[in-house]
Amino acid sequence: DQQVKQNSPSLSVQEGRISILNCDYTNSMFDYFLWYKKYPAEGPTFLISISSIKDKNEDGRFTVFLNKSAKHLSLHIVPSQPGDSAVYFCAASGRDTGNQFYFGTGTSLTVIP
Amino acid sequence: KAGVTQTPRYLIKTRGQQVTLSCSPISGHRSVSWYQQTPGQGLQFLFEYFSETQRNKGNFPGRFSGRQFSNSRSEMNVSTLELGDSALYLCASSLVPRLAGGHLPQETQYFGPGTRLLVL
Repeated sequence: DQQVKQNSPSLSVQEGRISILNCDYTNSMFDYFLWYKKYPAEGPTFLISISSIKDKNEDGRFTVFLNKSAKHLSLHIVPSQPGDSAVYFCAASGRDTGNQFYFGTGTSLTVIP
Repeated sequence: KAGVTQTPRYLIKTRGQQVTLSCSPISGHRSVSWYQQTPGQGLQFLFEYFSETQRNKGNFPGRFSGRQFSNSRSEMNVSTLELGDSALYLCASSLVPRLAGGHLPQETQYFGPGTRLLVL
């Protein structure tokens, strides 16, 4: 049972434009969410996190939005750069999952120069 | 501060063999989690260790096991390898684990580069 879903396997965006990556979850107990970026043959790199007490968290070009009622979060990258081309995973954990994170299947972002 | 390290980076085994993978967490981190990544499946949680104790286990067969040492380094073992075990195995460390039922803040997990295992 996939508790965290990324329904878009891939996304292409022009350099300088906004990239929006989406993630949906089903477990209402999830209260902490992470985004990771992954290049081929490397481990995921932590990008940004958000807890359920917030609905927005910003770090430079990266902003994560959380809509708890819709069980949806999104990662906005503005402006997109070619170096942002990678696979992006969202992950979630909750009070009932301890330290176990549930990951989506990833969205491959291509930023076109 | 050095990141999470994993050895070996690449491994080729044949069916029926067993394999041991190693993970050294970030200095000071005491919690280690293991994940399996296969194409199209995302990251699947294997297990988590803290203070040399397995605290949480994912839905994997008993052929998958692990342990943690007093210095927080961790190993995972897969016995009687099957073709379907071919995957990228990732280790992640965090300062301390969040206890089930525990409140925020949650510690972020930082990943190593992974060990790519190919079973022939």
